[in-house]
Amino acid sequence: KQEVTQIPAALSVPEGENLVLNCSFTDSAIYNLQWFRQDPGKGLTSLLLIQSSQREQTSGRLNASLDKSSGRSTLYIAASQPGDSATYLCAVSRGGSEKLVFGKGTKLTVNP
Amino acid sequence: GAVVSQHPSRVICKSGTSVKIECRSLDFQATTMFWYRQFPKKSLMLMATSNEGSKATYEQGVEKDKFLINHASLTLSTLTVTSAHPEDSSFYICSARDPLERTDTQYFGPGTRLTVL
Repeated sequence: KQEVTQIPAALSVPEGENLVLNCSFTDSAIYNLQWFRQDPGKGLTSLLLIQSSQREQTSGRLNASLDKSSGRSTLYIAASQPGDSATYLCAVSRGGSEKLVFGKGTKLTVNP
Repeated sequence: GAVVSQHPSRVICKSGTSVKIECRSLDFQATTMFWYRQFPKKSLMLMATSNEGSKATYEQGVEKDKFLINHASLTLSTLTVTSAHPEDSSFYICSARDPLERTDTQYFGPGTRLTVL
């Protein structure tokens, strides 16, 4: 049974700092891994999707890496801003109609 | 990216009543939609996979007679919580895949906050 763990559960940083969020999964037989952002009381916004054959994806100040063999992914946020404050969720899929398995998320607070 | 909508965004109902939540893919046809539930400070948990034109596939522990799913068209799936009780209060989120996208991305709706009094 796939399990996804995110560390830390919460993180508070001053504005401008670079930070890393961690995600680990127990079953390396994944098709892809996605990072999402969730604002309080809102749905999910997909940030980055990494296929199992890829090692990283970048979008603006975000960079996600994937080490499938070790069951780990990181989300790097450069020059953090107060608007980055949200909960960041990591999820893995075996593809097709297979479900996404989510971690519990990391709640990020960026202080002005 | 593709857009998925949900309606209503928030609903409050009395215990024992039924509530229907709609999930729509606005600019693509989705043969598969997913329904998730999220409790405070918990992960999103998949409840069921909704397949257009066939019965939904429910996850272990989810009562199919309580959470009725209908995927009658390629752009609409509905979740009906029957005889709702306070313990059904939660945040319900749907997602959909665009079968024409090779990346297998799931697009999520904005969620529905259900409160059962």
